[in-house]
Formats: sequence, structure tokens, C-alpha cells
Amino acid sequence: AQTVTQSQPEMSVQEAETVTLSCTYDTSENNYYLFWYKQPPSRQMILVIRQEAYKQQNATENRFSVNFQKAAKSFSLKISDSQLGDTAMYFCAFMKMGNTPLVFGKGTRLSVIA
Amino acid sequence: GAVVSQHPSRVICKSGTSVKIECRSLDFQATTMFWYRQFPKQSLMLMATSNEGSKATYEQGVEKDKFLINHASLTLSTLTVTSAHPEDSSFYICSAPDPGQGRNTQYFGPGTRLTVL
Repeated sequence: AQTVTQSQPEMSVQEAETVTLSCTYDTSENNYYLFWYKQPPSRQMILVIRQEAYKQQNATENRFSVNFQKAAKSFSLKISDSQLGDTAMYFCAFMKMGNTPLVFGKGTRLSVIA
Repeated sequence: GAVVSQHPSRVICKSGTSVKIECRSLDFQATTMFWYRQFPKQSLMLMATSNEGSKATYEQGVEKDKFLINHASLTLSTLTVTSAHPEDSSFYICSAPDPGQGRNTQYFGPGTRLTVL
């Protein structure tokens, strides 16, 4: 079975600064997908960024980027130029290939401070 | 991204009644949908996999007779909580893989907050 671990229950960052959220996972699969989802107070799950395990290049989406270390099974999220609207719960998630469900970490609550 | 809707967004019911929650994929067909449950300050936990035209697959510890899932069409899955009790109060969220992206990305409905009195 796959597991996802987020070791930081809460984090805070000053507006315009950079913050990194950690995530490690365990799997015996060689090909899979990794995600970061954001859950604001509305509780709508919003996809932030996706990484295919077979791609060595780290995914980037505007201010969001990941550091994917496949051998170490590590998948951290870096948020640059933090904005107040980034305040939310962030969940790291793992998905096997095919039509399979997501396995989530416990989440990190991020607060962006003005 | 793809759009998934859920209805109702919030429901309050008395103990012993049944509640039906609908999950719809609005702009794509979904042969599979997933139902998750999220308790306050916790993560999402998979309850079951809903398969169009066949029986749902339930996770260990989830009572299939209590949480009835019907995936009658390629755009609709329903979750019925039968004889609801206060401990069933939770946030229920569905997701569906977007076939436009090789089914490797899932999009979520806005969720349904169930409160059982």
C-alpha cells in the first residue's frame, strides 16, 4: 500500500516571501503521479501542480514549483512570492497509473501573513 | 480543468433518515468516480470507487449497506447514506478522472456537508 507523509502540520510565511512544504511517500510502483492540492476555507479541492514520476524535470506552474526526488521519494512544494490568497490547507497526494484513487497526506495548514 | 458538481452542498437531517448526494461530471464522461469523506481538521479518506454499470468497490471498514452507491450514467454517481446517525456527520467529496488528460488528473466536486441531528 502507498503512504504519503506531510511532517509539517502548520506553517506560516510573510507575504511576498518563499515557503517550502514537505512531502514524502512510500511506494513500490515505478510509474505514478504526484499532486499538490489546495483546500481553502470553502473546502473546494483545487489542483495546484502535478508531477509524472517518469519525468525528471520538476513541474512548475507560475509561482508554484516542486522539487521531485524520486530516489528519495520526496516531493516538496515551493511557493514563491506568497500571497494572502495562498492561505489554505495543502495536501500532497499520490496516484498509481490508471483509473485509480488518490492517497492523501494529512495536510499542511499554510498561513500567509501580511 | 474539468468541472464536477455536487448536490446538495449542505444538508441537515434527523437521525434515522436517508440522504442522497449527487456527483455530476459536467463537461466530460466519467466511467469511474471516487467518494471521499473528510472529518474536521483531517485529510480525505477514500470510501469507495463508483463504477458505471457495475457495483461499487468499498474500502475496508466502509459499510456497503449503509453507503449505497449508484453510478447509473457516464455523468452521474449518487451516494445514499441510509439510516444516518450523528457519527455519519462529515464532509463528503467526490472526484472524477478527466479523460482529456489521460485520466491522470482528478477533479473534485465542491463537497457536501452532512449534519445528522
